[in-house]
Amino acid sequence: GAGVSQTPSNKVTEKGKYVELRCDPISGHTALYWYRQSLGQGPEFLIYFQGTGAADDSGLPNDRFFAVRPEGSVSTLKIQRTERGDSAVYLCASSLSSGGGVADTQYFGPGTRLTVL
Amino acid sequence: GEDVEQSLFLSVREGDSSVINCTYTDSSSTYLYWYKQEPGAGLQLLTYIFSNMDMKQDQRLTVLLNKKDKHLSLRIADTQTGDSAIYFCAESDGSSNTGKLIFGQGTTLQVKP
Repeated sequence: GAGVSQTPSNKVTEKGKYVELRCDPISGHTALYWYRQSLGQGPEFLIYFQGTGAADDSGLPNDRFFAVRPEGSVSTLKIQRTERGDSAVYLCASSLSSGGGVADTQYFGPGTRLTVL
Repeated sequence: GEDVEQSLFLSVREGDSSVINCTYTDSSSTYLYWYKQEPGAGLQLLTYIFSNMDMKQDQRLTVLLNKKDKHLSLRIADTQTGDSAIYFCAESDGSSNTGKLIFGQGTTLQVKP
């Protein structure tokens, strides 16, 4: 079956512009996560969805970042007024559930590499 | 807050065993994970261990967990050049029910032929 997919794979934008990054989770996975990976670092949590609702957005760095998952499947991460410091790989992951068991194992997409010039 | 630490680099010869170490701080983590990342690729789940286990073996991979010292290791037997990648240790955040992962900074494994 298909894994987690993310589009675009690469995005180059100019400082101050608005960008949207898309994630298609594995079918049937109710939990969806966004992480950000800066160069030479491990992924850092941004936001978690259980179904349609953002259950934990404590990792979003500021109010320029927003994410939605209107139908409980595809999610879009939106970044307003991009800054050079937003340049990173944005990773999406999904899992069957998030209750703390084996079913919570997260499967990652290939990521979107965002470059802000 | 929770923290996960790994050594940054390991170099081994093909055929040798590799041991990648990790320490973590959250004693309430239920699962600990090892992910592999090849250049330009996403994270591939290698294996995981439940926090009440000491060891888990999966083909060439052996995970050891010392819960008292909050120390996790990944041993790769008969390391191959295709094992060259960055390996991330991750703990599930036990303080919330969200399942979010806290990653180390990654260990780059270099396998020399």
